[in-house]
Amino acid sequence: DVKVTQSSRYLVKRTGEKVFLECVQDMDHENMFWYRQDPGLGLRLIYFSYDVKMKEKGDIPEGYSVSREKKERFSLILESASTNQTSMYLCASSSIDIRGSQPQHFGDGTRLSIL
Amino acid sequence: SQKIEQNSEALNIQEGKTATLTCNYTNYSPAYLQWYRQDPGRGPVFLLLIRENEKEKRKERLKVTFDTTLKQSLFHITASQPADSATYLCAPPPGVGDKIIFGKGTRLHILP
Repeated sequence: DVKVTQSSRYLVKRTGEKVFLECVQDMDHENMFWYRQDPGLGLRLIYFSYDVKMKEKGDIPEGYSVSREKKERFSLILESASTNQTSMYLCASSSIDIRGSQPQHFGDGTRLSIL
Repeated sequence: SQKIEQNSEALNIQEGKTATLTCNYTNYSPAYLQWYRQDPGRGPVFLLLIRENEKEKRKERLKVTFDTTLKQSLFHITASQPADSATYLCAPPPGVGDKIIFGKGTRLHILP
């Protein structure tokens, strides 16, 4: 079974701090994704990566950056945390399919609170 | 713009009945749709994929249909059980810029 592991289930940080969220997958997937999920807004894509050192902006990249130095690890960075970044953050991975139909495998999320 | 809409925020169904959830899409023609289940505090879990040339797909008590004329997919759970209570999300293939757009989900409550 594919396993996507997020480093923390719960995290509390202060406004202005630099925050790192880590995600590791064990299935050699090429694609990795970071989403945030808020009540009433659903899943929104922040960034994704289709290869090591490659990244693409999603729908809401402002205030975030990412790093993918190794295939199995995808990090989300909040450069200067703000209260409106309090949310559930979900990481996912998928393999490449020429038809684009591979499902995403999700971690259990990190509930981040910015005080 | 491309849009995915799921029929309602919450649906209450009596145990044993069939639950039907709707996913409508506008402004594009997906080659397939995926359905996911999400439990509170957990990440979504993939359930089923249906392609545009498949009218119907089944997996145990789950059935998905895909109507390209109506631009709609229906997700059915037959003989529903309280353990089926969860949020169900629909997702088309990547659209503009290869981003996967998830629907907001429908919270399903199966009442004992």
